[in-house]
Amino acid sequence: GEDVEQSLFLSVREGDSSVINCTYTDSSSTYLYWYKQEPGAGLQLLTYIFSNMDMKQDQRLTVLLNKKDKHLSLRIADTQTGDSAIYFCAESMDSSYKLIFGSGTRLLVRP
Amino acid sequence: NAGVTQTPKFQVLKTGQSMTLQCAQDMNHNSMYWYRQDPGMGLRLIYYSASEGTTDKGEVPNGYNVSRLNKREFSLRLESAAPSQTSVYFCASSVGRRLSGANVLTFGAGSRLTVL
Repeated sequence: GEDVEQSLFLSVREGDSSVINCTYTDSSSTYLYWYKQEPGAGLQLLTYIFSNMDMKQDQRLTVLLNKKDKHLSLRIADTQTGDSAIYFCAESMDSSYKLIFGSGTRLLVRP
Repeated sequence: NAGVTQTPKFQVLKTGQSMTLQCAQDMNHNSMYWYRQDPGMGLRLIYYSASEGTTDKGEVPNGYNVSRLNKREFSLRLESAAPSQTSVYFCASSVGRRLSGANVLTFGAGSRLTVL
């Protein structure tokens, strides 16, 4: 079945890199996504990666995909206090309208 | 630049009361979704509408009904609210499924519902 798992909490110091990890079970996933949720707000798309890629970089964000291990990570370089939020990974398949979300990782950036 | 608008933002109900959450999008998207967010459980899909005139159940549809009123609007109704429906509800929309391509969802700001 479909399942997406994330660790619940990560704390880093301002200026350090953050790495948020995600594992998924469905090998037929076509796209994998990272969304950010700030307090009291909806989710905003950060980036997504197609399953035949192993890396995608977008400014401070780097997404790594290990399809063999079904492992996805989001690296945030030079983490700022404004990056404090909940980060969700999600998967979808070409054949489906559904996005399956993980439980979210709360990132706390300490000054 | 409204995007996805949800109303109300907050609501308190008593067990057994009914209410409707409203959602509208102005991006000419084909597909719309209702999710609920509970602590430690991520987002779970309640219902979705692939296109105007169609609706389908998601992972947790029991206790809810939906109406795709037109292309812009997708409402979620709780006929007889229960404490287990206390949650934050998110509406989202997307261009829709294509033969290939990511299905990027745009979310509303959420509606916090408490059922006493």
